[in-house]
Amino acid sequence: EAGVAQSPRYKIIEKRQSVAFWCNPISGHATLYWYQQILGQGPKLLIQFQNNGVVDDSQLPKDRFSAERLKGVDSTLKIQPAKLEDSAVYLCASSLGPGESSYEQYFGPGTRLTVT
Amino acid sequence: DAKTTQPNSMESNEEEPVHLPCNHSTISGTDYIHWYRQLPSQGPEYVIHGLTSNVNNRMASLAIAEDRKSSTLILHRATLRDAAVYYCILSSNAGNMLTFGGGTRLMVKP
Repeated sequence: EAGVAQSPRYKIIEKRQSVAFWCNPISGHATLYWYQQILGQGPKLLIQFQNNGVVDDSQLPKDRFSAERLKGVDSTLKIQPAKLEDSAVYLCASSLGPGESSYEQYFGPGTRLTVT
Repeated sequence: DAKTTQPNSMESNEEEPVHLPCNHSTISGTDYIHWYRQLPSQGPEYVIHGLTSNVNNRMASLAIAEDRKSSTLILHRATLRDAAVYYCILSSNAGNMLTFGGGTRLMVKP
């Protein structure tokens, strides 16, 4: 089966600019996650969707970050305006849904963002 | 979420078994133990998970202490491709949100 797709793979922007990342989860996966991974650290969960509803966004910096999952499939994560500290790899993951069967998360290759 | 403690790094020789330890002394009765690994320049990859009993799959084995305060991921024969950062993570059965720590960087020597 096809894996989690993300684009772009790399992005370089200047601070105060805007940027958007796109994720296409595995077909049939109800749950979608966005993580931020700063160099040398483990991934940090930003937001979790169940179908097109938000389950948890407690660690999403809502003054500059936004995410949506229209129609419960693809998702977009946006940063506006970007800061230097937003330089990181943004990972998208998906899983089947609630319950034991959902404990395996499948990760995409990530988008490496550099803010200059 | 309960915390886990892992060594920052470990070394292994190719084709030898590797035991990666994880301490989770504050684990609750409903917390699952998950292991993921992240190869260089890739997203994390699921390895194995368990609750109370030891678990085996094609990738690895998970040995869980009787008091559940520690666990060990066992790679039976390390290959160069197993060089990665290995994360031990706890999650409650209320959801499957994962809180990653720093993980253990495994280096495999030929």
